[in-house]
Amino acid sequence: NAGVMQNPRHLVRRRGQEARLRCSPMKGHSHVYWYRQLPEEGLKFMVYLQKENIIDESGMPKERFSAEFPKEGPSILRIQQVVRGDSAAYFCASSPRLAGTRTDTQYFGPGTRLTVL
Amino acid sequence: AQTVTQSQPEMSVQEAETVTLSCTYDTSENNYYLFWYKQPPSRQMILVIRQEAYKQQNATENRFSVNFQKAAKSFSLKISDSQLGDTAMYFCAFMKHGGGSEKLVFGKGTKLTVNP
Repeated sequence: NAGVMQNPRHLVRRRGQEARLRCSPMKGHSHVYWYRQLPEEGLKFMVYLQKENIIDESGMPKERFSAEFPKEGPSILRIQQVVRGDSAAYFCASSPRLAGTRTDTQYFGPGTRLTVL
Repeated sequence: AQTVTQSQPEMSVQEAETVTLSCTYDTSENNYYLFWYKQPPSRQMILVIRQEAYKQQNATENRFSVNFQKAAKSFSLKISDSQLGDTAMYFCAFMKHGGGSEKLVFGKGTKLTVNP
């Protein structure tokens, strides 16, 4: 069973460009979470999605950032008009939906390291 | 809002010895989960151990065990028989149970070095 897949692993963008980060959850997992890790910091929650629904986006910056998890295909985190402060590692995690429960362990992908020049 | 505090930015231990990493948290919730994740130099986040708040028994996974003190809001990780491969950043994390949002709240991490 493949783990959570993220691509690209490394992404370099110039200021003002767009960054698209992809996440394929583990097989059977329908919940996806995105986190950002700044240098020397812990991970900070950004957004929680289920298929075709954004459940909680309380950690997303109000501008330039958006996320989706379509019915088919990976979840996408999009950052428009990137700035140097967006340089960070972006992690995706997924969890399964178990009958009778709403919460379970999140399994992380390897992350995408975004560098903005 | 929940907060997680890891008061030890760095620790070191000799191979084969035991080390304990501290974590405290602040919440008004009664139902929640606590986790320890490991982040080695590869930067992959790896689940080490989890604890349900409603369980009084401390979780164990091989050489890893926790000391969960709910009243004190403390959740320390003990690593026994430390191995070189345990060298990593260790993050303590909190997750509220239910309510629609299952986000993890992380501490800032403890950098553990295991010396030969």
